[in-house]
Amino acid sequence: GAGVSQTPSNKVTEKGKYVELRCDPISGHTALYWYRQSLGQGPEFLIYFQGTGAADDSGLPNDRFFAVRPEGSVSTLKIQRTERGDSAVYLCASSLGRLGQETQYFGPGTRLLVL
Amino acid sequence: GENVEQHPSTLSVQEGDSAVIKCTYSDSASNYFPWYKQELGKGPQLIIDIRSNVGEKKDQRIAVTLNKTAKHFSLHITETQPEDSAVYFCAASMNTGFQKLVFGTGTRLLVSP
Repeated sequence: GAGVSQTPSNKVTEKGKYVELRCDPISGHTALYWYRQSLGQGPEFLIYFQGTGAADDSGLPNDRFFAVRPEGSVSTLKIQRTERGDSAVYLCASSLGRLGQETQYFGPGTRLLVL
Repeated sequence: GENVEQHPSTLSVQEGDSAVIKCTYSDSASNYFPWYKQELGKGPQLIIDIRSNVGEKKDQRIAVTLNKTAKHFSLHITETQPEDSAVYFCAASMNTGFQKLVFGTGTRLLVSP
């Protein structure tokens, strides 16, 4: 079956520009997570959604970062006024969101490079 | 908040040897501990997980042990194969059905033929 998909796979942008990263979770998964992975590091939590609402956005580094999931399926991570320090791999994961079925399945990531 | 430390950062073994990766966590409320394998250019893939009501879990060549008192958990890979070469991450979370994972810094495992 289809796994988590993310588009684009790579994104190069200039400092100060706006970018959108898209995540298509596994069908039927109510929980959706965004993580950021810097080179040589483990993924760091950004935000997660249960359905359409952001249940925990405590990992978003500042107000330049925003994410939406308007219909409870596809999610978009939005970064305004990009900075060179935003360069990283942005990972999306989804899970069934139920106790005992908490396995998070990750997508391949979007590699963002801010010049 | 939770903090997860992972050692070693790199591990080189010969094919057929065993490999052990160790993690410690700080938050005694954490009760779910997955291990992920990440190959170059790909997202992390779950290989095994353990919950705090279990001390050990095994799946073929892979096993995970958990010591709640010491807040330690370890990944054991036996009879390593070259295709086991990858970066391995441990993680910890409070299992409520939906939870944010706190990851370790990763271990790069290289299995030489």
